[in-house]
Amino acid sequence: DAGVIQSPRHEVTEMGQEVTLRCKPISGHNSLFWYRQTMMRGLELLIYFNNNVPIDDSGMPEDRFSAKMPNASFSTLKIQPSEPRDSAVYFCASSSSYQETQYFGPGTRLLVL
Amino acid sequence: AQKVTQAQTEISVVEKEDVTLDCVYETRDTTYYLFWYKQPPSGELVFLIRRNSFDEQNEISGRYSWNFQKSTSSFNFTITASQVVDSAVYFCALSERNYGGSQGNLIFGKGTKLSVKP
Repeated sequence: DAGVIQSPRHEVTEMGQEVTLRCKPISGHNSLFWYRQTMMRGLELLIYFNNNVPIDDSGMPEDRFSAKMPNASFSTLKIQPSEPRDSAVYFCASSSSYQETQYFGPGTRLLVL
Repeated sequence: AQKVTQAQTEISVVEKEDVTLDCVYETRDTTYYLFWYKQPPSGELVFLIRRNSFDEQNEISGRYSWNFQKSTSSFNFTITASQVVDSAVYFCALSERNYGGSQGNLIFGKGTKLSVKP
């Protein structure tokens, strides 16, 4: 079975540009999570969805960040405009309420110049 | 507030040594889950184990074993006869049930970087 799929795997962009990260959760999972990993702050939750509905977005840094989940098989995390401090690895994870374990995608390594 | 502490930032051992990674957590909830994840140099996060707060039985899986003690709020991870392939960053994490019964988010520790030298 396919795991969580994220694209792109690497993204290099210039400050001020819009960045869109994509995630396809494991089929049948109804919870989806976006995390960010940096050296300074470690792994931190940005937002999570349950049944396509955002449940907790308190970790979203500021208005430049937005996330959507239009259906059960797709989510996006958008940064507009991007800044150098947004450089990080962004992970998407999914879980089923029954199993209660989050499975992570391979991550998107973002570098904003 | 929930918190996970991994006091060991880095550990270096020689192959075949046993090594224990410590994890201490804080929570006010009586129902919660504890996890360990492995992040090898390639960068992905690999799930290793999940434990719920009502199950204090220790678990062994091959060379890996976990010791969960509610009395000390600890969930330690031991690798027996370590191998070079065990070199990675290991994260301990806590998840509480939020109101309504659905899973809450994971609170991660800062991670312990394990280096196993041949």
